[in-house]
Amino acid sequence: NAGVTQTPKFRVLKTGQSMTLLCAQDMNHEYMYWYRQDPGMGLRLIHYSVGEGTTAKGEVPDGYNVSRLKKQNFLLGLESAAPSQTSVYFCASSYVRPLASGANVLTFGAGSRLTVL
Amino acid sequence: GQQVMQIPQYQHVQEGEDFTTYCNSSTTLSNIQWYKQRPGGHPVFLIQLVKSGEVKKQKRLTFQFGEAKKNSSLHITATQTTDVGTYFCAGLTNAGNMLTFGGGTRLMVKP
Repeated sequence: NAGVTQTPKFRVLKTGQSMTLLCAQDMNHEYMYWYRQDPGMGLRLIHYSVGEGTTAKGEVPDGYNVSRLKKQNFLLGLESAAPSQTSVYFCASSYVRPLASGANVLTFGAGSRLTVL
Repeated sequence: GQQVMQIPQYQHVQEGEDFTTYCNSSTTLSNIQWYKQRPGGHPVFLIQLVKSGEVKKQKRLTFQFGEAKKNSSLHITATQTTDVGTYFCAGLTNAGNMLTFGGGTRLMVKP
């Protein structure tokens, strides 16, 4: 049982290049999320999905696109990378359950460190 | 929108000293969660608080949820070097399904 797996773990891009980060979860979670983490900024939500085929914008969506074609996968795309997108990206997933039993408790992947030169 | 503020941003302690981080929300929360991120690692869920005034303990860690459900605290008694990391609170409002994370408190412990 791998949990949440992110690929790649590290990537260096030049300004203007494109790339896709892949997140896969094997826990049959309904919800999936992409966060970015920058020093002193905590975790900021980029996009999220409440189920297969659905996506929604989070707090900082500009410059990113996402797709959830399969329930277990959530892809984060950068069409034209910028230095401001240098960050550590975390994917997370959660069940949908009644609040009392732990809805929205997030399971995170190990992270993907992206550097844009 | 909802804001969750966490203080302090950093804390250096001598091993054996106590440590507390505080979390304050601009809106009433339905629940609050705490996560720990070790250096170079990813956030890992610690605990969830749901009831007003709730107090939960995990060994040397004590978590509290305020009576108004707008603030929370994490207290570590007699810190150890294994406590090093960043502690995040994350709040969930009644209106939404998305957690809002605080900025985190980075704890450093001197042996």
